[in-house]
Amino acid sequence: DAGVIQSPRHEVTEMGQEVTLRCKPISGHDYLFWYRQTMMRGLELLIYFNNNVPIDDSGMPEDRFSAKMPNASFSTLKIQPSEPRDSAVYFCASSFSTLAGGPRTDTQYFGPGTRLTVL
Amino acid sequence: GQQLNQSPQSMFIQEGEDVSMNCTSSSIFNTWLWYKQEPGEGPVLLIALYKAGELTSNGRLTAQFGITRKDSFLNISASIPSDVGIYFCAGPTSGTYKYIFGTGTRLKVLA
Repeated sequence: DAGVIQSPRHEVTEMGQEVTLRCKPISGHDYLFWYRQTMMRGLELLIYFNNNVPIDDSGMPEDRFSAKMPNASFSTLKIQPSEPRDSAVYFCASSFSTLAGGPRTDTQYFGPGTRLTVL
Repeated sequence: GQQLNQSPQSMFIQEGEDVSMNCTSSSIFNTWLWYKQEPGEGPVLLIALYKAGELTSNGRLTAQFGITRKDSFLNISASIPSDVGIYFCAGPTSGTYKYIFGTGTRLKVLA
């Protein structure tokens, strides 16, 4: 079974350009998480979805960032306009629910990440 | 807000040696997770701990949920070169499903 798929793996863009990162979660998983990893701040949760609905976006740094999940098999994270300080590795992860309704803590699978460089 | 501090920050050890690292928080966690991240990859879950005092093993790895619920420990026995990577602790923030990650321990194993 395929794991979490992210594309592109690497993205280099110029300041001011729009960037779209894509994620396909593992089939059957109903939670999807977007993380950002930098040397300075480590691994930070940006937003997570449950059944395609955004549940908590308090980690999204500012209005330039937006995320959508139009269906159970696809999510995007968009940065518009991009800035050099957005350079980081962006990870998508997915998991499925427990009977209590929360994500299974032992089944959060991460994708390989997208390394974004904004010049 | 809640933070997870890991120590040591980095370790250089000889192949065959045992490794110990820990993770501490200023607040209580109800779940502790340990992940390993290799270069160019996403974190991979190694061990999950759900109860204070719990001791769980996964091969050569053993992790413990501290009895104060404010810390956790990871031990690797008889290290091998493929143990190289960054080890993160993580846990859900109080009352949410939002996970925070520790600062990481970078492990290098010298053959």
